[in-house]
Amino acid sequence: GAVVSQHPSWVICKSGTSVKIECRSLDFQATTMFWYRQFPKQSLMLMATSNEGSKATYEQGVEKDKFLINHASLTLSTLTVTSAHPEDSSFYICSARTIDQYPSYNEQFFGPGTRLTVL
Amino acid sequence: GDSVTQMEGPVTLSEEAFLTINCTYTATGYPSLFWYVQYPGEGLQLLLKATKADDKGSNKGFEATYRKETTSFHLEKGSVQVSDSAVYFCALNTNAGKSTFGDGTTLTVKP
Repeated sequence: GAVVSQHPSWVICKSGTSVKIECRSLDFQATTMFWYRQFPKQSLMLMATSNEGSKATYEQGVEKDKFLINHASLTLSTLTVTSAHPEDSSFYICSARTIDQYPSYNEQFFGPGTRLTVL
Repeated sequence: GDSVTQMEGPVTLSEEAFLTINCTYTATGYPSLFWYVQYPGEGLQLLLKATKADDKGSNKGFEATYRKETTSFHLEKGSVQVSDSAVYFCALNTNAGKSTFGDGTTLTVKP
């Protein structure tokens, strides 16, 4: 149990295009999902927090119009990188949390990550 | 604000050596504490956790004890293997829901 998937696992795109990354909780309902960005050999940087059915809360310095987050259901959140540029190339990781006792109260479960390369 | 400080790496050990990776934290309230492991090109995997003071988390030979008095959650393993080579992250999670991560410690185990 407590599986979080991400799709795609890797993507290469041209500069100026938009890329959508999906994050799904497969066997539990995620009231909150988090999106992180990780640069090589660095820690995870929280980009935004999304609660189902409401607007995402972005961390300071993260461009809302560039990184569009939608949390349309209790099992799906999407991150869209709009007009991507080479500096957006990174490893993007999502996590999901539930306030229910299953699978574990207040614990985050991480997806496997998506490697984005913008040419 | 909340923060996690990890022992700087990289750490290089010989197989069967004893491992300690230090982690201290600053947080309001009573956080849950976690250790995650990340293998190259992969996401984070939960290694172990502790939700209250004096709890000991353990998994795959790794252990860490939640020490409230020293605000620490040091990771230990008695005998490391080559397959333990990875990046280890200490993290805390408050009731507000956000996780705060340490900078990560790269462990390399040589045969």
